[in-house]
Amino acid sequence: DAGITQSPRHKVTETGTPVTLRCHQTENHRYMYWYRQDPGHGLRLIHYSYGVKDTDKGEVSDGYSVSRSKTEDFLLTLESATSSQTSVYFCAISEGPPYYEQYFGPGTRLTVT
Amino acid sequence: AQSVTQLGSHVSVSEGALVLLRCNYSSSVPPYLFWYVQYPNQGLQLLLKYTSAATLVKGINGFEAEFKKSETSFHLTKPSAHMSDAAEYFCAVSEQNTDKLIFGTGTRLQVFP
Repeated sequence: DAGITQSPRHKVTETGTPVTLRCHQTENHRYMYWYRQDPGHGLRLIHYSYGVKDTDKGEVSDGYSVSRSKTEDFLLTLESATSSQTSVYFCAISEGPPYYEQYFGPGTRLTVT
Repeated sequence: AQSVTQLGSHVSVSEGALVLLRCNYSSSVPPYLFWYVQYPNQGLQLLLKYTSAATLVKGINGFEAEFKKSETSFHLTKPSAHMSDAAEYFCAVSEQNTDKLIFGTGTRLQVFP
Protein backbone atom coordinates (compact mmCIF):
# COMPACT_ATOMS: atom_id res chain seq x y z
CA ASP A 1 0.00 0.00 0.00
CA ALA A 2 1.11 3.51 -0.81
CA GLY A 3 2.19 5.38 2.30
CA ILE A 4 -0.63 7.89 2.60
CA THR A 5 -2.26 8.95 5.82
CA GLN A 6 -5.05 11.41 6.45
CA SER A 7 -5.88 13.17 9.66
CA PRO A 8 -8.24 13.37 11.32
CA ARG A 9 -10.18 10.34 10.12
CA HIS A 10 -13.43 11.66 11.52
CA LYS A 11 -14.48 15.14 12.48
CA VAL A 12 -17.68 16.84 13.53
CA THR A 13 -17.68 20.61 13.46
CA GLU A 14 -20.13 23.47 13.57
CA THR A 15 -21.17 25.74 10.73
CA GLY A 16 -18.89 28.73 10.41
CA THR A 17 -15.82 27.21 12.03
CA PRO A 18 -12.54 26.74 10.17
CA VAL A 19 -11.37 23.19 9.52
CA THR A 20 -8.05 21.86 8.25
CA LEU A 21 -7.54 18.37 6.92
CA ARG A 22 -4.07 16.95 6.50
CA CYS A 23 -2.67 14.51 3.97
CA HIS A 24 0.77 13.06 4.55
CA GLN A 25 2.73 10.83 2.15
CA THR A 26 5.97 8.91 2.49
CA GLU A 27 6.34 8.12 -1.24
CA ASN A 28 7.96 11.39 -2.33
CA HIS A 29 5.39 11.72 -5.13
CA ARG A 30 5.21 15.07 -6.88
CA TYR A 31 1.45 15.27 -7.34
CA MET A 32 -1.17 15.39 -4.61
CA TYR A 33 -4.94 15.75 -4.91
CA TRP A 34 -7.95 16.45 -2.72
CA TYR A 35 -11.33 14.97 -3.65
CA ARG A 36 -14.71 14.90 -2.04
CA GLN A 37 -17.05 11.94 -2.41
CA ASP A 38 -20.80 12.33 -2.19
CA PRO A 39 -23.59 9.90 -3.10
CA GLY A 40 -24.56 10.22 -6.75
CA HIS A 41 -21.58 12.42 -7.59
CA GLY A 42 -18.69 10.03 -7.47
CA LEU A 43 -15.36 11.70 -6.83
CA ARG A 44 -14.97 15.40 -7.48
CA LEU A 45 -11.63 17.15 -7.55
CA ILE A 46 -11.30 20.09 -5.17
CA HIS A 47 -7.67 21.19 -5.56
CA TYR A 48 -4.43 19.60 -6.55
CA SER A 49 -0.72 20.27 -6.30
CA TYR A 50 2.00 19.60 -8.84
CA GLY A 51 4.87 20.53 -6.56
CA VAL A 52 5.80 22.40 -3.41
CA LYS A 53 3.90 25.70 -3.37
CA ASP A 54 2.34 24.85 -6.77
CA THR A 55 -1.40 24.31 -6.62
CA ASP A 56 -4.40 24.61 -8.89
CA LYS A 57 -8.17 24.50 -8.63
CA GLY A 58 -10.38 21.56 -9.42
CA GLU A 59 -14.04 21.49 -10.35
CA VAL A 60 -15.44 22.19 -6.86
CA SER A 61 -12.90 24.57 -5.30
CA ASP A 62 -15.25 27.25 -3.94
CA GLY A 63 -15.04 27.44 -0.15
CA TYR A 64 -11.76 25.51 0.00
CA SER A 65 -8.11 26.48 0.04
CA VAL A 66 -4.95 24.38 0.06
CA SER A 67 -1.31 24.69 0.93
CA ARG A 68 1.76 22.60 0.29
CA SER A 69 4.92 23.78 1.98
CA LYS A 70 6.63 20.37 1.93
CA THR A 71 6.57 17.51 -0.56
CA GLU A 72 5.01 15.17 1.96
CA ASP A 73 2.16 17.32 3.25
CA PHE A 74 -0.91 18.73 1.53
CA LEU A 75 -3.42 20.63 3.64
CA LEU A 76 -7.05 21.32 2.80
CA THR A 77 -8.75 24.18 4.65
CA LEU A 78 -12.40 25.02 4.87
CA GLU A 79 -12.27 28.66 5.92
CA SER A 80 -15.84 28.71 7.23
CA ALA A 81 -17.48 25.31 7.11
CA THR A 82 -21.00 24.95 5.75
CA SER A 83 -23.40 22.01 5.88
CA SER A 84 -22.93 21.49 2.14
CA GLN A 85 -19.32 20.59 2.87
CA THR A 86 -20.36 17.53 4.87
CA SER A 87 -18.68 14.79 2.89
CA VAL A 88 -15.94 12.20 2.79
CA TYR A 89 -12.63 13.71 1.72
CA PHE A 90 -9.91 11.71 0.03
CA CYS A 91 -6.34 12.57 -0.65
CA ALA A 92 -4.49 10.96 -3.54
CA ILE A 93 -0.91 10.99 -4.75
CA SER A 94 0.70 10.41 -8.12
CA GLU A 95 4.20 10.16 -9.52
CA GLY A 96 2.97 12.07 -12.54
CA PRO A 97 3.86 11.33 -16.15
CA PRO A 98 3.29 9.39 -18.16
CA TYR A 99 0.17 7.79 -16.67
CA TYR A 100 -0.72 9.92 -13.63
CA GLU A 101 -2.20 6.91 -11.88
CA GLN A 102 -3.32 7.87 -8.43
CA TYR A 103 -3.13 6.17 -5.05
CA PHE A 104 -5.61 7.06 -2.39
CA GLY A 105 -5.58 7.64 1.32
CA PRO A 106 -8.16 6.15 3.70
CA GLY A 107 -10.37 9.24 3.77
CA THR A 108 -11.70 11.73 6.31
CA ARG A 109 -15.39 11.80 7.16
CA LEU A 110 -16.40 15.39 7.91
CA THR A 111 -19.76 16.34 9.34
CA VAL A 112 -20.75 20.00 9.57
CA THR A 113 -23.70 20.59 11.89
CA ALA B 1 -13.43 17.74 -22.47
CA GLN B 2 -12.73 14.18 -21.58
CA SER B 3 -15.50 12.27 -19.81
CA VAL B 4 -16.30 8.76 -18.67
CA THR B 5 -19.69 7.07 -18.33
CA GLN B 6 -20.44 4.05 -16.21
CA LEU B 7 -23.68 2.39 -17.23
CA GLY B 8 -25.62 1.09 -14.26
CA SER B 9 -25.16 2.55 -10.80
CA HIS B 10 -26.01 -0.83 -9.27
CA VAL B 11 -25.26 -4.33 -10.53
CA SER B 12 -26.32 -7.50 -8.76
CA VAL B 13 -24.98 -10.97 -9.51
CA SER B 14 -25.07 -14.37 -7.88
CA GLU B 15 -21.92 -15.88 -6.43
CA GLY B 16 -20.13 -17.72 -9.23
CA ALA B 17 -21.74 -15.68 -12.00
CA LEU B 18 -19.99 -13.48 -14.51
CA VAL B 19 -19.32 -9.91 -13.45
CA LEU B 20 -19.56 -7.23 -16.16
CA LEU B 21 -19.21 -3.56 -15.28
CA ARG B 22 -19.42 -1.10 -18.14
CA CYS B 23 -17.32 1.96 -18.84
CA ASN B 24 -17.31 4.20 -21.90
CA TYR B 25 -15.06 7.16 -22.46
CA SER B 26 -15.22 10.11 -24.80
CA SER B 27 -12.05 10.96 -26.57
CA SER B 28 -10.83 11.06 -30.12
CA VAL B 29 -7.38 10.13 -28.88
CA PRO B 30 -7.06 6.88 -26.90
CA PRO B 31 -6.49 7.88 -23.31
CA TYR B 32 -5.09 6.05 -20.34
CA LEU B 33 -7.83 4.18 -18.47
CA PHE B 34 -8.12 2.84 -14.96
CA TRP B 35 -10.45 0.79 -12.80
CA TYR B 36 -10.52 1.34 -9.06
CA VAL B 37 -12.35 -0.58 -6.33
CA GLN B 38 -13.63 0.89 -3.08
CA TYR B 39 -14.62 -1.33 -0.17
CA PRO B 40 -16.88 0.12 2.53
CA ASN B 41 -15.23 2.83 4.62
CA GLN B 42 -11.98 2.60 2.68
CA GLY B 43 -10.14 4.59 0.04
CA LEU B 44 -9.96 3.65 -3.62
CA GLN B 45 -7.58 0.89 -4.66
CA LEU B 46 -6.20 0.54 -8.18
CA LEU B 47 -7.47 -2.66 -9.84
CA LEU B 48 -5.86 -2.30 -13.25
CA LYS B 49 -4.81 0.20 -15.87
CA TYR B 50 -4.66 0.48 -19.66
CA THR B 51 -1.61 2.27 -20.98
CA SER B 52 -1.74 1.23 -24.67
CA ALA B 53 0.66 -1.69 -24.25
CA ALA B 54 -2.05 -4.37 -24.58
CA THR B 55 -5.79 -4.19 -25.13
CA LEU B 56 -6.59 -6.93 -22.61
CA VAL B 57 -5.44 -5.91 -19.18
CA LYS B 58 -5.33 -8.22 -16.19
CA GLY B 59 -5.63 -6.83 -12.69
CA ILE B 60 -5.80 -7.98 -9.13
CA ASN B 61 -8.39 -10.33 -7.64
CA GLY B 62 -9.08 -12.04 -11.00
CA PHE B 63 -10.47 -8.96 -12.73
CA GLU B 64 -9.62 -7.98 -16.28
CA ALA B 65 -10.68 -5.29 -18.74
CA GLU B 66 -10.56 -5.00 -22.49
CA PHE B 67 -9.89 -1.75 -24.31
CA LYS B 68 -12.01 -1.45 -27.46
CA LYS B 69 -11.20 1.65 -29.46
CA SER B 70 -14.04 1.17 -31.94
CA GLU B 71 -16.56 1.12 -29.08
CA THR B 72 -14.69 3.64 -26.86
CA SER B 73 -15.18 1.15 -24.06
CA PHE B 74 -13.16 -0.34 -21.22
CA HIS B 75 -15.49 -2.81 -19.54
CA LEU B 76 -14.43 -4.68 -16.40
CA THR B 77 -15.10 -8.41 -16.13
CA LYS B 78 -14.54 -11.33 -13.80
CA PRO B 79 -15.57 -14.87 -14.76
CA SER B 80 -16.85 -15.90 -11.34
CA ALA B 81 -18.02 -13.52 -8.66
CA HIS B 82 -17.09 -13.99 -5.01
CA MET B 83 -18.89 -12.52 -2.04
CA SER B 84 -15.75 -10.52 -1.31
CA ASP B 85 -16.12 -8.68 -4.64
CA ALA B 86 -19.03 -6.68 -3.27
CA ALA B 87 -17.82 -3.09 -3.44
CA GLU B 88 -18.08 0.07 -5.50
CA TYR B 89 -16.10 0.23 -8.73
CA PHE B 90 -14.93 3.38 -10.47
CA CYS B 91 -13.68 3.82 -13.99
CA ALA B 92 -11.29 6.73 -14.58
CA VAL B 93 -9.65 8.27 -17.62
CA SER B 94 -6.77 10.60 -18.22
CA GLU B 95 -5.79 12.23 -21.44
CA GLN B 96 -2.21 12.00 -22.45
CA ASN B 97 -0.15 14.91 -21.17
CA THR B 98 -2.65 16.02 -18.53
CA ASP B 99 -2.17 15.71 -14.80
CA LYS B 100 -5.70 14.82 -13.65
CA LEU B 101 -8.01 11.83 -13.76
CA ILE B 102 -11.70 12.06 -14.57
CA PHE B 103 -13.81 9.57 -12.63
CA GLY B 104 -17.10 7.99 -13.46
CA THR B 105 -19.88 8.08 -10.89
CA GLY B 106 -19.29 4.49 -9.86
CA THR B 107 -21.08 1.15 -9.98
CA ARG B 108 -22.01 -0.65 -6.80
CA LEU B 109 -21.66 -4.41 -7.16
CA GLN B 110 -23.75 -6.68 -4.96
CA VAL B 111 -23.05 -10.41 -4.84
CA PHE B 112 -25.78 -12.74 -3.61
CA PRO B 113 -25.14 -16.25 -2.27
